[in-house]
Amino acid sequence: AQSVTQLGSHVSVSEGALVLLRCNYSSSVPPYLFWYVQYPNQGLQLLLKYTSAATLVKGINGFEAEFKKSETSFHLTKPSAHMSDAAEYFCAVSEGYSTLTFGKGTMLLVSP
Amino acid sequence: GAVVSQHPSWVICKSGTSVKIECRSLDFQATTMFWYRQFPKQSLMLMATSNEGSKATYEQGVEKDKFLINHASLTLSTLTVTSAHPEDSSFYICSAKGQGERETQYFGPGTRLLVL
Repeated sequence: AQSVTQLGSHVSVSEGALVLLRCNYSSSVPPYLFWYVQYPNQGLQLLLKYTSAATLVKGINGFEAEFKKSETSFHLTKPSAHMSDAAEYFCAVSEGYSTLTFGKGTMLLVSP
Repeated sequence: GAVVSQHPSWVICKSGTSVKIECRSLDFQATTMFWYRQFPKQSLMLMATSNEGSKATYEQGVEKDKFLINHASLTLSTLTVTSAHPEDSSFYICSAKGQGERETQYFGPGTRLLVL
């Protein structure tokens, strides 16, 4: 069975600071991994995905994530936070073409 | 590309009435569509998976007769909340997977349902 753990329900950073959102997964087969962002009262937007190609994945809005099999992790980073990055971020895992399993989400707060 | 729309974005209805929510893939053919429910400050809960032309597969604990799903074409799925009650009030989000990129789900903007 697949599962996702997102460490920290809230992460606070200052504008311009490094953003690090943590995600660990469990999967019985090589996983597909995703990061989605959700702004208030909106659906989810795909930030990036790992599908067994390069382990360092670059996404939209300057975000990237690195797949580390030995650590079963897929942490999301951005070198410099913007105010517009404040939102809820969800990590998700899929085993092949199966359904997505989401983490509980991490709210990113960005202060001026 | 990969745009999914939902209609309506907001709906308020009286208890006992039925509400239909549409989910459309605008620029790709969706072989599979998913319906999720999201409670405030929580993650998404998968309600059901539907494949075009076949019956939906519901997750455990989701009432099939309560939440009717129809996936009539490769670009349209509908969720009907029958005899809605206040506890059905929630944020409903659909997603779709295409034929070419089968591992990725693209999400609609969501529908906020309030049952009075």
